[in-house]
Amino acid sequence: AQSVAQPEDQVNVAEGNPLTVKCTYSVSGNPYLFWYVQYPNRGLQFLLKYITGDNLVKGSYGFEAEFNKSQTSFHLKKPSALVSDSALYFCAVRWRNAGNMLTFGGGTRLMVKP
Amino acid sequence: AAGVIQSPRHLIKEKRETATLKCYPIPRHDTVYWYQQGPGQDPQFLISFYEKMQSDKGSIPDRFSAQQFSDYHSELNMSSLELGDSALYFCASSPPRTGQYNEQFFGPGTRLTVL
Repeated sequence: AQSVAQPEDQVNVAEGNPLTVKCTYSVSGNPYLFWYVQYPNRGLQFLLKYITGDNLVKGSYGFEAEFNKSQTSFHLKKPSALVSDSALYFCAVRWRNAGNMLTFGGGTRLMVKP
Repeated sequence: AAGVIQSPRHLIKEKRETATLKCYPIPRHDTVYWYQQGPGQDPQFLISFYEKMQSDKGSIPDRFSAQQFSDYHSELNMSSLELGDSALYFCASSPPRTGQYNEQFFGPGTRLTVL
């Protein structure tokens, strides 16, 4: 079955340190990969996407993600975390030739401490 | 920039009542998606519409129905509400299809509470 996993429920990082939020997907065709962020009582905000081409994708607010086909991963990264980055992050996958719906991972709560 | 508009933002209903949620996509977006996010859960896809026709169907209960109108807004109709329907309901829209990889732009959600 097609699935996407975020193995960490929560990631804690100190402000100014690099952060990584992990995402892996099941091997079933070539997916389109997305990252969204959700602040409390807010909708999902698009950060970045991987469709094809360069494996390193740059997105909003200094975030980037690296597509690794051999490891079926799409980890979200940022070189220097800000307290304001604290939020809930969702990885999402759209499988080609399987409709346009997004399948979300379980979410990872990022806590950036001053 | 214009965003996806959802109304109402909050809704409280009792069991067995009906509810209608509305979604107004970003101007010139022709595809609308509905997702349900339960407490502490990730969003689950319910249904989508492209050019007023249902395009994909996910885990939408038979008690729910939806449609997209000529002005591209969409309504999610929910009947015989159950306690388990309490959730945040998101609508998303995406622009005309230049490929199957357009990102979806999400609205702020409607929080439905069933008592």
